[in-house]
Amino acid sequence: LAKTTQPISMDSYEGQEVNITCSHNNIATNDYITWYQQFPSQGPRFIIQGYKTKVTNEVASLFIPADRKSSTLSLPRVSLSDTAVYYCLVGVGLNDYKLSFGAGTTVTVRA
Amino acid sequence: GAGVSQSPSNKVTEKGKDVELRCDPISGHTALYWYRQRLGQGLEFLIYFQGNSAPDKSGLPSDRFSAERTGESVSTLTIQRTQQEDSAVYLCASSLTGAAANNQPQHFGDGTRLSIL
Repeated sequence: LAKTTQPISMDSYEGQEVNITCSHNNIATNDYITWYQQFPSQGPRFIIQGYKTKVTNEVASLFIPADRKSSTLSLPRVSLSDTAVYYCLVGVGLNDYKLSFGAGTTVTVRA
Repeated sequence: GAGVSQSPSNKVTEKGKDVELRCDPISGHTALYWYRQRLGQGLEFLIYFQGNSAPDKSGLPSDRFSAERTGESVSTLTIQRTQQEDSAVYLCASSLTGAAANNQPQHFGDGTRLSIL
């Protein structure tokens, strides 16, 4: 897995948009970018995955610039239930199936 | 449901006893993975199944740990003669295809919280 760097924590308020940027300068050509969410006492939950440009699903959007050395997870109109730890992973393909989650970004949403 | 299901959700047992943890992957997922997560720590890879075969058992910490998968579906992780350091959350994940595919995310269950007294 390529090394990633993301902020340790972010605070927000209900209804706001939260953007978490992950740096991955050593991303390889075949690497995909994957984001997970984890609540206390639960397993990691897959949020979104992308390779380039923009990906959007019912939960989030993922923005990836042309050089792919970073990516931004965008959570629209967060609610209290979005308070969780968010992990950015790069390179989940061949021989990279041994997922390793770093500290992630703890997002705290306040009323 | 359609997600990965693990049972039991919690298990408390005495040191020296054997325990068996079960994982039901998402239907149709050929790859299955077991991880261990100690309190406040990251994921620790244990074993990977492709179908019913385990091409990578490198993460199993000792010979007290074993796992099997049958019918390309259910998997069980067995820990024999449990010790206190085995206390952790054991997570199972599955993906549609195996490690050779670089865009198949792993989907996790909520884990079994194992406590050894």
